[in-house]
Amino acid sequence: QKEVEQDPGPLSVPEGAIVSLNCTYSNSAFQYFMWYRQYSRKGPELLMYTYSSGNKEDGRFTAQVDKSSKYISLFIRDSQPSDSATYLCAMSRNSGYSTLTFGKGTMLLVSP
Amino acid sequence: NAGVTQTPKFQVLKTGQSMTLQCAQDMNHNSMYWYRQDPGMGLRLIYYSASEGTTDKGEVPNGYNVSRLNKREFSLRLESAAPSQTSVYFCATPKTKGGGPDSSYNSPLHFGNGTRLTVT
Repeated sequence: QKEVEQDPGPLSVPEGAIVSLNCTYSNSAFQYFMWYRQYSRKGPELLMYTYSSGNKEDGRFTAQVDKSSKYISLFIRDSQPSDSATYLCAMSRNSGYSTLTFGKGTMLLVSP
Repeated sequence: NAGVTQTPKFQVLKTGQSMTLQCAQDMNHNSMYWYRQDPGMGLRLIYYSASEGTTDKGEVPNGYNVSRLNKREFSLRLESAAPSQTSVYFCATPKTKGGGPDSSYNSPLHFGNGTRLTVT
């Protein structure tokens, strides 16, 4: 079993839809959880950063971590065509430098 | 992606040729990282440097060498390129404000825009 699993998609939704993106993981040592957005031919950019379990909201984005289920989610409300990108989950352990483990990414397509 | 500058943006090599990918940061971070991104494989760590003068192997270091020239620059060298090294290479630094020795711990990363390398 891979350490981090993420459905590659593509996930196609109409503009205005609520989008749910998910990752599962197997290593219970992961404590820090991140979501990155990557546009075509660009580097990943950080969207959300959370520690341990719970929810975090930033504008239209909500990150959710359920450590008991080893499951993290990113919700996008009122999705826009500009949200079309690949979304990468990433996580790290509670010590050492930032050696992140990434999911493979989910491609999201929001149609007008 | 201001703060992390990668050169070149694109490169085509023949098998056996060598090249150096350059990365420079202006955020005064101690640590710097090299990742490669391949379709279906995600981002994988090649090497990282916790501080000036130190480097450590990541998940996929074979075929690469690195050099932390100074605090600002971290280069990745392919001595004898192979088609399996066709990839997009990203350099990264911690996203939090740099300076102190522990500022890199558990920080999310800030990525450059990548170098797209094709080896034929």
